[in-house]
Amino acid sequence: EVQLVESGGGLVQPGGSLRLSCAASGFTFSSFWMGWVRQAPGKGLEWVAHINKDGSAVYYVDSVKGRFTISRDNAQKSLHLKINSLRVEETAVYYCESDGGRQWGQGTLVTVSS
Amino acid sequence: DAVMTQSPLSLPVTLGQPASISCRSSQSLVYSDGNTYLNWFQQRPGQSPRRLIYNLSNRDSGVPDRFSGSGSGTDFTLKISRVEAEDVGVYYCMQHTHWPHTFGQGTKLEI
Repeated sequence: EVQLVESGGGLVQPGGSLRLSCAASGFTFSSFWMGWVRQAPGKGLEWVAHINKDGSAVYYVDSVKGRFTISRDNAQKSLHLKINSLRVEETAVYYCESDGGRQWGQGTLVTVSS
Repeated sequence: DAVMTQSPLSLPVTLGQPASISCRSSQSLVYSDGNTYLNWFQQRPGQSPRRLIYNLSNRDSGVPDRFSGSGSGTDFTLKISRVEAEDVGVYYCMQHTHWPHTFGQGTKLEI
C-alpha cells in the first residue's frame, strides 16, 4: 500500500523555523518527483515546491524562495521541507505529494503565531 | 504565472443529474511535447486531496467513469455524468505545464 506520512508541524513564532518530513512507503520513491502543497484554514490549495527524482533540480513558488528548502533522501525514502522566517499568513496544513498529485499524505499543521 | 480561474465557485446539484466545472488558464497549457498538463482533484470534507484526472483527460485508477476531463489550450472542463452523494466536496484544477504549478480557486459541489 502506498503511504505518505508527514511530520514536523507545530506551533512556531513569526520568524521561526521548522523542518517538515514526509516518509514514503509502498512504491519506488526514487522514481518519482515529489512536492509540497499547502492549504491555509478554510482556503484553497497552493503549490509550494517540487524536487526531481535525484534531487538535482528544485522549484519553488516565488513567495517562499530563499526561505524554504526542499530536499530528499532516496535511501531513506524521505522528503523534507526546511522552512525559515515563517510568517503568520503561512499557517496551513502542509501536504506532501508524489507524481503530480497521484498520492497525498494526510498533512501536517503548521501554526505561526505569537 | 499561469493563473487558473474556475467557475462556478459554488455548484448546487441534484442527485443523479450531471454537473460541469470550468477551468480557464491565462496561458496555453500545451507543453512542447504536445501534452497538456492539467489535472483535476477532489477534496472531500476533512480529507486530503485526491487526483481524479491527469494530463487533461486520463482518469486515475479507481475513479468512477462518471468523471471525465476535456478541453484544450486554455479552456478545460470536468464533467460528472450523474452526481452521487459521495461527490460532495471541493474540486480543483491544477496546471503543471509551467513553473510555478498553480491551482484554481476551487469549486464547492453541494447537493
